[in-house]
Amino acid sequence: GENVEQHPSTLSVQEGDSAVIKCTYSDSASNYFPWYKQELGKGPQLIIDIRSNVGEKKDQRIAVTLNKTAKHFSLHITETQPEDSAVYFCAAYYGQNFVFGPGTRLSVLP
Amino acid sequence: GAVVSQHPSRVICKSGTSVKIECRSLDFQATTMFWYRQFPKQSLMLMATSNEGSKATYEQGVEKDKFLINHASLTLSTLTVTSAHPEDSSFYICSARDQGGGEKLFFGSGTQLSVL
Repeated sequence: GENVEQHPSTLSVQEGDSAVIKCTYSDSASNYFPWYKQELGKGPQLIIDIRSNVGEKKDQRIAVTLNKTAKHFSLHITETQPEDSAVYFCAAYYGQNFVFGPGTRLSVLP
Repeated sequence: GAVVSQHPSRVICKSGTSVKIECRSLDFQATTMFWYRQFPKQSLMLMATSNEGSKATYEQGVEKDKFLINHASLTLSTLTVTSAHPEDSSFYICSARDQGGGEKLFFGSGTQLSVL
C-alpha cells in the first residue's frame, strides 16, 4: 500500500520568511496530492492541491511542487504570517483512499 | 470551497452511554464519506469508509459493532459510539468527497468526545 512521509515534524520561522514542507510517497499510482491546514481543535482545511499531470501550482502565498520521478512533493509558503501557524498535513490519493503524512507543526514567530 | 458540517463539536458523556455524531455535506452530494480518529499531536487515522446506501467498510482493528456508521442519504452520515468508555475519548473527524468535484476531500470541524 501507499506510505507517505513528511518532514520536518516541526518548523519555526520568523514572520516574513518562507517555509517549506516536504513529503514523499511510495506508490507511483498515486495521482492527486492535497495539502491541509489544521488549527487547534478544528478539522483540516484544504489549502492547495496538485494532480500528477502538473509540476507546480500556486495560489497567492502558497505553492506546491511535484516531482513524479522522485515521488516527492512540497508545500511552499512565502511571506509567512502568524496566522499561518498550524499543523500541515500532506496526502496522497491512492486507490479510493487518501493516505496522510504525519503532519508538520509550523510556528511563525513575530 | 465545499462545506461539511459536523455536530456536535464537543460532547461529554458517562461511561456506558452512546453518542451520535452527525456529518452533513451542505452544498454538494457525497457518495463517500470517511470517518477519522485523531489523538493529540498525531495524524488522522482512518476508521471507516461510508458509502451511501450500503454498509460501511471498516479499517483493520476498528470494531464495527462499537462504531456504528450509517450513510442514509447523499448528504448525511452518522457515527454512533456505542457503550462508550474512557478509552474512546478522542477527536473524531468526518470528511466527504464532492461527487461532482473529483478527488477533492473536505473535512468537518471535528467532534471532541470525552467519556467520564
